Amino acid sequence: EPEVTQTPSHQVTQMGQEVILRCVPISNHLYFYWYRQILGQKVEFLVSFYNNEISEKSEIFDDQFSVERPDGSNFTLKIRSTKLEDSAMYFCASSDTSANTEAFFGQGTRLTVV
Amino acid sequence: QKEVEQDPGPLSVPEGAIVSLNCTYSNSAFQYFMWYRQYSRKGPELLMYTYSSGNKEDGRFTAQVDKSSKYISLFIRDSQPSDSATYLCAMSSIGGGSYIPTFGRGTSLIVHP
Repeated sequence: EPEVTQTPSHQVTQMGQEVILRCVPISNHLYFYWYRQILGQKVEFLVSFYNNEISEKSEIFDDQFSVERPDGSNFTLKIRSTKLEDSAMYFCASSDTSANTEAFFGQGTRLTVV
Repeated sequence: QKEVEQDPGPLSVPEGAIVSLNCTYSNSAFQYFMWYRQYSRKGPELLMYTYSSGNKEDGRFTAQVDKSSKYISLFIRDSQPSDSATYLCAMSSIGGGSYIPTFGRGTSLIVHP
């Protein structure tokens, strides 16, 4: 069964450092998303990406964040200068429709900023 | 008032029980309603989605949407211990072509043998 894969599963970084979270979406999907879930809180939408550009982004997705599809398979989330409050689970998702109603999520990357 | 409200539980039921999970919302523009299951330390897994009002059934799962009451439900029949997980509701509108989903906090379900 096709699945979204994310690496690493856990990333520990020092405050102020840059991190790149990686995702391989399902191969025939065209729409890609990043979400985050702070421990004990709701899943929050960060950004959607289609046709090599951002479709939508939330207020959380400020200038410290960027996304890229560097090749035909990977989709990355970069946090330029991490803050303690960036500690969360980050989920990548992909879908074959723009409605986001059938997005498939990856297992997540746990980011811990110390 | 929060946009999407969901009782965090935990909800503990015996195996075989019918489970009812619910969310209320305030934004009348929501038209897509999704239910996800999330096991501990895993990503959300889409169970079902419905568009606008009505019911949708898939195996032991039934999703209901009552837009007049701004209330959605997920029913699980013949619950199994493997159904123990956190269930997230999510909803989105299509205003201006935006599909950004808003999630509930999730309800923790425990099905004990």
